[in-house]
Amino acid sequence: GNSVTQMEGPVTLSEEAFLTINCTYTATGYPSLFWYVQYPGEGLQLLLKATKADDKGSNKGFEATYRKETTSFHLEKGSVQVSDSAVYFCALGSSASKIIFGSGTRLSIRP
Amino acid sequence: DAGVTQSPTHLIKTRGQQVTLRCSPKSGHDTVSWYQQALGQGPQFIFQYYEEEERQRGNFPDRFSGHQFPNYSSELNVNALLLGDSALYLCASSLVGTGGNSPLHFGNGTRLTVT
Repeated sequence: GNSVTQMEGPVTLSEEAFLTINCTYTATGYPSLFWYVQYPGEGLQLLLKATKADDKGSNKGFEATYRKETTSFHLEKGSVQVSDSAVYFCALGSSASKIIFGSGTRLSIRP
Repeated sequence: DAGVTQSPTHLIKTRGQQVTLRCSPKSGHDTVSWYQQALGQGPQFIFQYYEEEERQRGNFPDRFSGHQFPNYSSELNVNALLLGDSALYLCASSLVGTGGNSPLHFGNGTRLTVT
């Protein structure tokens, strides 16, 4: 069945460091891919999405490219800030009209 | 523009009891999905409601049931609570016709603790 595997955390970086959080997926068909973020005490928020191969989603300095050949959707940011500290979830939109989430990666940024 | 609202925010129940959680979708949305998020884990899909019917269901027992009302709001009911049902329950809304490609809008969740 469809599934998402993402980099285990926690990940701790210094402010202004480069961030990569790896995500790979298994799916039939052509799903959409998402990154959601969960700040402390809040619900999940959509960070970015890509709906087809080679699409690049971007938002708030974060980027991810839908790579069908490697079944990946890695999240990147060139210079992280303390306010980026949160849990990040890679997700897949299946044809069965439900979103499947990875297990999440906790990111902590040191000032 | 009101987002997804859930009530209550926190709930403590005893094993064997029943619980009802409530959700109002984002304005303009007609589809409600429920997720269970155990501590340190990603959300797990419970079921999805559209046009007052359950459309999709995840791998959850029949103790988990739901309902959607004509105004699109929804309830999640859990019977015969187990300790393992302790989790954050998230409601998410979306617009029909976009299937699995529709970004979900989440509420802040209901934290259920079963003792």
